[in-house]
Amino acid sequence: SYELTQPPSVSVSPGQTASVACSGHRLGDKYTSWYQQKPGQSPVLVIYQDSKRPSGIPERFSGSNSGNTATLTISGTQAMDEADYFCQTWDSSTSVVFGGGTKLTVL
Amino acid sequence: QVQLVQSGAEAKKPGASVKVSCKASGYTFINYYMHWVRQAPGEGLQWMGNINPGGGSTTYAQKFQGRVTLAWDTSTSTVYMELSSLRSEDTAVYYCTRGSLVGNTTPDAFDIWGQGTLVTVSS
Repeated sequence: SYELTQPPSVSVSPGQTASVACSGHRLGDKYTSWYQQKPGQSPVLVIYQDSKRPSGIPERFSGSNSGNTATLTISGTQAMDEADYFCQTWDSSTSVVFGGGTKLTVL
Repeated sequence: QVQLVQSGAEAKKPGASVKVSCKASGYTFINYYMHWVRQAPGEGLQWMGNINPGGGSTTYAQKFQGRVTLAWDTSTSTVYMELSSLRSEDTAVYYCTRGSLVGNTTPDAFDIWGQGTLVTVSS
């Protein structure tokens, strides 16, 4: 079965750029979405179709996807961005796969 | 506004079944797939399956085949997820989440999520 791999944790200083990677076999051939989840809350979609932002998501969130790796980038990271981030793709047109999640710490 | 409202927390014994509901509002219910995703305490997200409320077709993750059943009620814009033969490992928060427009050739992301329903399985 298809697998997505994320680093368990990423740290960033306030105002700096954070990058969260998500790797999978030929992931660049698929669409990847990203979700932000804060403690005790439901996930929120922050990036879809590799690089598109839903309305209401700040411009500092961006995404890319090529080769075997998709990347979520947060520019000018703020304390409020501290959360878990999950990547997601489709194994086939009918089967959903999530990455294991990355805890972003802003310190 | 577009929202999904789920039923309340459940406590079940091993071997029992649980049925969680998800009521949609603010959009045309039958036009979008509905998915179910669960999250065990301190763990990641795990996809369980989806349903097309317009036609009733379902797709289940292999891990849950034979134990999960998705159903829908168009009159109340509600989707139901029933999980049987519960074991302690099924203790998790269960989410419904809206997927793609039915008929889209490219499966899309999950843009709206319910508030989650905690299911606790313990003897």
